[in-house]
Amino acid sequence: GAVVSQHPSRVICKSGTSVKIECRSLDFQATTMFWYRQFPKQSLMLMATSNEGSKATYEQGVEKDKFLINHASLTLSTLTVTSAHPEDSSFYICSARDGGRGQYFGPGTRLTVT
Amino acid sequence: AQKITQTQPGMFVQEKEAVTLDCTYDTSDPSYGLFWYKQPSSGEMIFLIYQGSYDQQNATEGRYSLNFQKARKSANLVISASQLGDSAMYFCAMREPSDTGRRALTFGSGTRLQVQP
Repeated sequence: GAVVSQHPSRVICKSGTSVKIECRSLDFQATTMFWYRQFPKQSLMLMATSNEGSKATYEQGVEKDKFLINHASLTLSTLTVTSAHPEDSSFYICSARDGGRGQYFGPGTRLTVT
Repeated sequence: AQKITQTQPGMFVQEKEAVTLDCTYDTSDPSYGLFWYKQPSSGEMIFLIYQGSYDQQNATEGRYSLNFQKARKSANLVISASQLGDSAMYFCAMREPSDTGRRALTFGSGTRLQVQP
């Protein structure tokens, strides 16, 4: 089956620093990748949609200058949380579409900002 | 706009029994897809089952089946012969209409299922 990886799985950073999270589709080309955020005991909320070679589309209320998304190739999208604050602590999870019906999730990244 | 509603924050079921997790949806698009995912404590999202709006039959995948009632706009997940490993959060999700281009998923609030021995 289709596999999506995320790296790192866990990261702890200090307030004010930036953190980059990678999302890779390992055995298929992803036409579109999505970034979701999940706070404890809550559901997944879509943050942004990225397509290879074009600018990401952000959901209302998501700061594009804070959450930088780069979709450099058909297999890699990165999310950079800039100037992280404790309120950015969350579970970030990506998913990738294969152009058909399938949408496959990565294992997620748990970010803790101290 | 689409909406997914899961009204059961938590459910308990005895091991080996069947359990139904409720999901209702709202959409104006005639073509849509409904998904169920399982999220264990590790956080990964595990795909369980998919139902397309034009599918004639209810979807089944092993111990999982989807009770799709289109007129009532419900897509309940039925887990048969529950196992201790089924204890997890379960999310119902709907895919955006094709005319949006991106086909992102909208998730319900989730149901925490606990299987008791």
